[in-house]
Formats: sequence, structure tokens, C-alpha cells
Amino acid sequence: ETGVTQTPRHLVMGMTNKKSLKCEQHLGHNAMYWYKQSAKKPLELMFVYSLEERVENNSVPSRFSPECPNSSHLFLHLHTLQPEDSALYLCASRQTPATNEKLFFGSGTQLSVL
Amino acid sequence: QKEVEQNSGPLSVPEGAIASLNCTYSDRGSQSFFWYRQYSGKSPELIMSIYSNGDKEDGRFTAQLNKASQYVSLLIRDSQPSDSATYLCAVYNTNAGKSTFGDGTTLTVKP
Repeated sequence: ETGVTQTPRHLVMGMTNKKSLKCEQHLGHNAMYWYKQSAKKPLELMFVYSLEERVENNSVPSRFSPECPNSSHLFLHLHTLQPEDSALYLCASRQTPATNEKLFFGSGTQLSVL
Repeated sequence: QKEVEQNSGPLSVPEGAIASLNCTYSDRGSQSFFWYRQYSGKSPELIMSIYSNGDKEDGRFTAQLNKASQYVSLLIRDSQPSDSATYLCAVYNTNAGKSTFGDGTTLTVKP
């Protein structure tokens, strides 16, 4: 148990479906992140929420929509995805500012878009 | 040029050997440096962090940092098959509030 819980662990969806990924952190951190990891590619930062305010959006397609209702919960809403969106989606959290800026990752959601 | 570059893999070493993983970074404002280990199909887990120049040892792992050369490395002594994984170098700039990851180096330790 890393203190960052993601659900579901696996998700298969069609291109017309709408689904949401959920992340919850139990570490008292104030910043949460969504990362995408595709096969043989580096981690891609998608969204950052610090103190519940979105501070970064790396030109992610609008079919991905984040939501951060409070400092412990983070959602990623998915709609009309494409097959190339199939990847491992990782949630992470950290305390900022802090002397140790370590990221704590959840177990990830393995997403397959058919 | 990538912001964080790691030695291209895959890297294969025999069991018991020293595995050397290298990482260079371009942002001179980076203050914190991390090595994550990621097993296939799993999420990254932090194994080492280093903040000042020199060596930091933790069990079989040694991280080395040289800020002047913008270089950070990870040595794994007495490599075990269970060390086979992808190792990610991450660099954090506190002022920018930004973490940047390298592409990762895949290590295979052969029995």
C-alpha cells in the first residue's frame, strides 16, 4: 500500500464510452498529478493540481478532463477516446513546498480503448 | 535535446556484477534528483533520492550526483535477477515546481 489508491486497476472501453478514473491519496499531500505511460515511451505529465487549483496542462486533448474536488481526490474523466489513448494512467501525489519532493505513485489504471 | 537523458538500453549484466545507470539533465536549476524502479506492468517506486554533490549509499544502491557536470548515476552492486526492471531518472526544480523524467533504462540481470 503506497498511500495512493487508484481505481479501477483495469478498464476496457469503446471509443464512444464515457468513463472516469479515480485517485485517492491518504498521505496528506497537497499536490496531485496525472501521468500517462505508453509502451516504450517516457512518463508524460498530463495534469497537475496544487492546492486544488490546476496549474499545468501540457496540451492534453480535451477528451481528457480532470477534476480535483479536494486535496485527497483526483478524477480523470474520459470520453470519445481513441485507440492511441490506450496506456497506463498513473496518479501521483507529493507535498509541496517541501524539502523532499518525492512523488508517490498509485498502482495505475491500465486502459484499453477498442 | 531532451531535458533528462538516460543511457540507452537495454542493459544486461550477469548476476553479482555492478550495474551502472547514468543520467544527465539540462536544467541547472534542478535541486532534487530521484531514481525510480518500475517493474513491467507496475507503477514506479522510489528507490533513491539525492540532493547534494557526492555519493549516497543505501544497501546495494549508490547514487552519485555531480551538479557541475549535470550528471547523476545509480550503481547497483551485487546485482540480482530481482533487480531486472526499468529505472527512471527524475529531476525536480523546486522553483518551477516541475518534475521531469528520463525515458528509462531497462536492466536485465541474468542468473
